[in-house]
Amino acid sequence: EIVLTQSPGTLSLSPGERATLSCRASQSVSGGYLAWYQQKPGQAPRLLIFGASSRATGISDRFSGSGSGTDFTLTISRLEPEDFAVYYCQQYGSSPELTFGGGTKVEIK
Amino acid sequence: QVQLQESGPGLVKPSQTLSLTCTVSGGSINSGFYYWSWIRQRPGKGLEGMGYIYSTGSTHYNPPLTSRVSISIDTSKNQFSLRLSSVTAADTAVYYCARGSRGVLFYWGQGTLVTVSS
Repeated sequence: EIVLTQSPGTLSLSPGERATLSCRASQSVSGGYLAWYQQKPGQAPRLLIFGASSRATGISDRFSGSGSGTDFTLTISRLEPEDFAVYYCQQYGSSPELTFGGGTKVEIK
Repeated sequence: QVQLQESGPGLVKPSQTLSLTCTVSGGSINSGFYYWSWIRQRPGKGLEGMGYIYSTGSTHYNPPLTSRVSISIDTSKNQFSLRLSSVTAADTAVYYCARGSRGVLFYWGQGTLVTVSS
């Protein structure tokens, strides 16, 4: 079973700053099959990125994903007020289980 | 636009079975190569995948829950369902249904809170 570890647990930044979130897998994620979701309080998660780097429909180009193997990154180029939320990674390439990381909270500094 | 809506009791007694239904609108549950998933989120915690089902009826459950979870599909009603047996307070969570395609969860329901308490 693949374990996804996200870091940091909390990221305190100001609007306009750049956010870099990490997702590390315990074993290689085949095909780069990794997705990122954003969740705001009281809401369902929303898909941002799939295939490690492809933005979902309607997602701002402020969001970008990169990485392969065991190390993946979600970057938010310039934080807008609506970007403060919790972000989860999910792998879907190396095991049939629905596996999520523990999440990174991006909070206003 | 595909929409999913969870429904079911918001309160379940310990040791009983939790049952939820997800109704899909805006598309057939029987079309395409999709899988229909259940994910839960305990209060203040992260997302936990529970399992999923294909329109063929084939299922996969996440290991920690395999012995207690069952997912079924009713294509005539465009619904799929979750049953979780022998619940305890640790099963108190918001339960989400979602549609997956090639592993990615593109569409989610709004979630429903289920509290396990006597």
